[in-house]
This record gives sequence, structure tokens and C-alpha cells, in this order.
Amino acid sequence: QVTLKESGPALVKPTQTLTLTCTFSGFSLTTTGMRVSWIRQPPGKALEWLARIDWDDDKFYSTSLKTRLTISKDTSKNQVVLTMTNMDPVDTATYYCALKAGGSCCGFDIWGQGTMVTVFS
Amino acid sequence: QSALTQPASVSGSPGQSITLSCTGSSSDIGGYKYVSWYQQHPGKAPKLMISEVSNRPSGVSNRFSGSKSGNTASLTISGLQAEDEADYYCSSYTSSNTQIFGGGTKLTVL
Repeated sequence: QVTLKESGPALVKPTQTLTLTCTFSGFSLTTTGMRVSWIRQPPGKALEWLARIDWDDDKFYSTSLKTRLTISKDTSKNQVVLTMTNMDPVDTATYYCALKAGGSCCGFDIWGQGTMVTVFS
Repeated sequence: QSALTQPASVSGSPGQSITLSCTGSSSDIGGYKYVSWYQQHPGKAPKLMISEVSNRPSGVSNRFSGSKSGNTASLTISGLQAEDEADYYCSSYTSSNTQIFGGGTKLTVL
């Protein structure tokens, strides 16, 4: 059974760097075709795709946020980490990680439960 | 890149069929077959309902179907049920090698 779970700080201050971890089970990110994305959703608003890392370590970033984002993986720990620099109150959101399990490049087959991050001073 | 365009709200009665639209451009929906749809109930994570325009994952009711014409994708729900009341989001791959979501449609079952 595939599961993903996000973890990280619930509160961060403006200008700080956010580090989120997606810990998964039921698959390996060394398997061809596996891809993990980060997606966020501000309260009451729409989903926004942030970044993706593939089994072969290819990385892709949102055009508008790429200067602030870094995605990486630790296959020995079954984790994907997202860092976002220079946090602002508008970054307050629920952050999800999601798996695309083979097949085409694109889409999100299985989602984590999400973790809420609030940015305030 | 701007978000895909979805109607803010749609409503229907139990048993009816409804269609949700998602409009983009030739750089996303129109250029690729990688359109997907997600259902989100309040306080829950999104759930994949349709992938690659019209593929229904195992476990998703066959009342849900997807299609695409030009730059517009559609999700049709037939035999509307109370449990279908939720927010629905479309998503597409883009020519910039990114993913983009729509603004979401709130479906109300009357």
C-alpha cells in the first residue's frame, strides 16, 4: 500500500526558510517512472503546483517560484524534501506531496494528507 | 503562466448529469494529452478521478468520465449523487515542463 506523509513546522516567520519532508512507503523513488511533486493550497483557494522530482533525479519547478524552491530526495530514507526561502504571509497554505506512479510524466495519483504552514510574525 | 479557467460553481439535482469545463491554451490543454481531474471534499486531500484526459483509475466510479476538445477539457458526472458534492480541480502539463491547475469548481448537489 502506497502512502505519503508530509511533515514540517506549523509556524514560520517572514523571511525564514521553510523545510518540508515527504516520507513515503510502498514504493521506491529509484524505480523507473516514479515522480513526486509538491503542491500547496492557501486556505479557501485553489491548488498550486510547486515542484517535482523524478526517479532519475530530474527536477522541475514552478516558473513563478523557482528562485525560492529546492527539491531533493533521500532514497535511503524514502523521503523527498522541499525547501522554500524567504517565506511571506502569502505562503500560508496546506502543503501536499503527491506521487505519479509510472506511465506518463504528469498528474498526481496518490496524495499525502497535507501539512498546514502558517507564516506570521 | 495563468491558471486554467474553471467555472466557480455548478449545481445539479440527484440523478442528473453535469459537465464541468476547464479551459486553457495550446501551451497546455490543447497541446498535450496530460489533463487530469481531482475531487476534493472539505478538509480532505484531493483525489485523482481522471488521468490523461479520459482514463479512470481503478476504484473510481464509471459515472465519471473525461474528454477534451481543442483547448478545453471536460469532466462529466452522470447519475449525480449527494456524495459527489465537492470541489473539482483540473490540471494539465504545460510547454514549460510544469503542471498547472484550474481555479476549481464547487459542485453542489441540490
